[in-house]
Amino acid sequence: KNEVEQSPQNLTAQEGEFITINCSYSVGISALHWLQQHPGGGIVSLFMLSSGKKKHGRLIATINIQEKHSSLHITASHPRDSAVYICAVGRETSGSRLTFGEGTQLTVNP
Amino acid sequence: EPEVTQTPSHQVTQMGQEVILRCVPISNHLYFYWYRQILGQKVEFLVSFYNNEISEKSEIFDDQFSVERPDGSNFTLKIRSTKLEDSAMYFCASSQRTSGSYGFFGPGTRLTVL
Repeated sequence: KNEVEQSPQNLTAQEGEFITINCSYSVGISALHWLQQHPGGGIVSLFMLSSGKKKHGRLIATINIQEKHSSLHITASHPRDSAVYICAVGRETSGSRLTFGEGTQLTVNP
Repeated sequence: EPEVTQTPSHQVTQMGQEVILRCVPISNHLYFYWYRQILGQKVEFLVSFYNNEISEKSEIFDDQFSVERPDGSNFTLKIRSTKLEDSAMYFCASSQRTSGSYGFFGPGTRLTVL
């Protein structure tokens, strides 16, 4: 079983829709990261969370440490949001190593 | 805005050849990382580097791999004798602190082993 599980694997939405991507993990973590990978392959860090909630523009990330679960929300989605969204965790027992989820392929249609 | 840079963007090599992938981390960062992503698969951790030594490495990072910070700016990943299965996108990243810190990724080097 993967230590980091994301759902859904693929998500298609219409422009303007509210989107939620989920991440569950099975290890103790020091932090959870949400990353965005564009079709060209480049990776951008969106959020780093160890508790609570963070917001940046139309993106919101939440984490529930007790339930070992995080969500990434996109409000008023736009075609330019189309990308792979990746959840990754830094483990408590490992200072520097990130463990990645499989990613969620998001396609937003106009 | 500061960024991590990587060269080359694409490297094609013959099986058994040595390759060196280069990265320039963000200047005030202290932790450096290499990750790889085989086409269609998830990103995997290879190695982390701090204070001029490896702080952690994965099972993938065997004796064929090495890392070096030859000067104050570059961070390199060397694969001594490439195999077909080394074909992947290799990402360098840097951060001010360890995994609890916001990491910046480079654009990646696509390595193709023929």
